[in-house]
Amino acid sequence: GESVGLHLPTLSVQEGDNSIINCAYSNSASDYFIWYKQESGKGPQFIIDIRSNMDKRQGQRVTVLLNKTVKHLSLQIAATQPGDSAVYFCADPAFSGGYNKLIFGAGTRLAVHP
Amino acid sequence: NAGVTQTPKFQVLKTGQSMTLQCAQDMNHEYMSWYRQDPGMGLRLIHYSVGAGITDQGEVPNGYNVSRSTTEDFPLRLLSAAPSQTSVYFCASTDRDRDNSPLHFGNGTRLTVT
Repeated sequence: GESVGLHLPTLSVQEGDNSIINCAYSNSASDYFIWYKQESGKGPQFIIDIRSNMDKRQGQRVTVLLNKTVKHLSLQIAATQPGDSAVYFCADPAFSGGYNKLIFGAGTRLAVHP
Repeated sequence: NAGVTQTPKFQVLKTGQSMTLQCAQDMNHEYMSWYRQDPGMGLRLIHYSVGAGITDQGEVPNGYNVSRSTTEDFPLRLLSAAPSQTSVYFCASTDRDRDNSPLHFGNGTRLTVT
């Protein structure tokens, strides 16, 4: 089975609410994770990354949390806006064998409603 | 700095026809990759290259050829198109295999084979 995967295929939120997108991984040796956002008709775009020596990393309105004990990471989007509507992917370079050959799951589609 | 540029944006082929999907990057990245994305699925790696003159197969290489004669360009060739190759194709590039160098994606070529 897929060892880098997302729990929910679709997440619907109200504009202004916080969104949480989850991702599980299976490789205990994985030490770096990347989140991508793909808007309709576009290629995936880098959002934020995190190394395994961190539990949390914050960007602009986004926070990634890493729980190495249960091999789980989450992407939190604060005050979700319509422009956040997209498919979100997590990626694990160690699992795929390199930064240039990332493996992506089906992703989680985030739908933001007014 | 245009990033990763893919041409054409859209293409319709008949079964058995051949064509080349173009990809160029102006970031002097050594690593380049081709992915395909089918509806409701993640991106699957077709071929990748770690530098000029070096290419390797990804997860789904059958029916596709690549070459890397320059650092900037990484064309993907379909020798005899099949309906199963109907998909959206993304080219990506990254700097050396290191942290803080995520994949940069183009905006894709949408290919339909009839």
